[in-house]
Amino acid sequence: AQTVTQSQPEMSVQEAETVTLSCTYDTSENNYYLFWYKQPPSRQMILVIRQEAYKQQNATENRFSVNFQKAAKSFSLKISDSQLGDTAMYFCAFMRNFGNEKLTFGTGTRLTIIP
Amino acid sequence: DSGVTQTPKHLITATGQRVTLRCSPRSGDLSVYWYQQSLDQGLQFLIQYYNGEERAKGNILERFSAQQFPDLHSELNLSSLELGDSALYFCASSPGQGRNEQYFGPGTRLTVT
Repeated sequence: AQTVTQSQPEMSVQEAETVTLSCTYDTSENNYYLFWYKQPPSRQMILVIRQEAYKQQNATENRFSVNFQKAAKSFSLKISDSQLGDTAMYFCAFMRNFGNEKLTFGTGTRLTIIP
Repeated sequence: DSGVTQTPKHLITATGQRVTLRCSPRSGDLSVYWYQQSLDQGLQFLIQYYNGEERAKGNILERFSAQQFPDLHSELNLSSLELGDSALYFCASSPGQGRNEQYFGPGTRLTVT
């Protein structure tokens, strides 16, 4: 079974600064996908970024980028130029690459952007 | 807006009752997933349907069941409700056919009293 660990329950950062959220995972699979989801106070789950394990290049979506270290089973999320709207819970998630599979989530990191 | 709709948004019911949660996936998405988010268990996968067929089961209680209809909408039925079933229930959909990102609906907040 796969497990996802987010060791930072809470973080806070000043607006416009850069923050990195950590995620580690455990799997015996070689092909898989990793995701970061954002859950703002509205409770909506929003897909932030996606990484395929077979790609060495780190995924980037505007101010969001990841540092994917496959050997270390690490998948961190970097938010640059943080904005007040980035305040949310952030969940790291794992998916096996066997067609359409379930997501296995970490416990989340509550990020607060301070004005 | 993800394109996934869920009804109702909120549901308050008593122990022992039965409720039905409804989900309409994004247009064209064949896969539907149900997840439960509770304070003590976090986000947990319950069940998946693909084009009308059950595809995978997670930690879903026997008191819970689901189905996906020919028009691809899905329903999650929760029966003999207990206080511990109080949670946020999400539906997510994905396109299938090699595209696996899941898009979540707004959730149904279930409160069992």
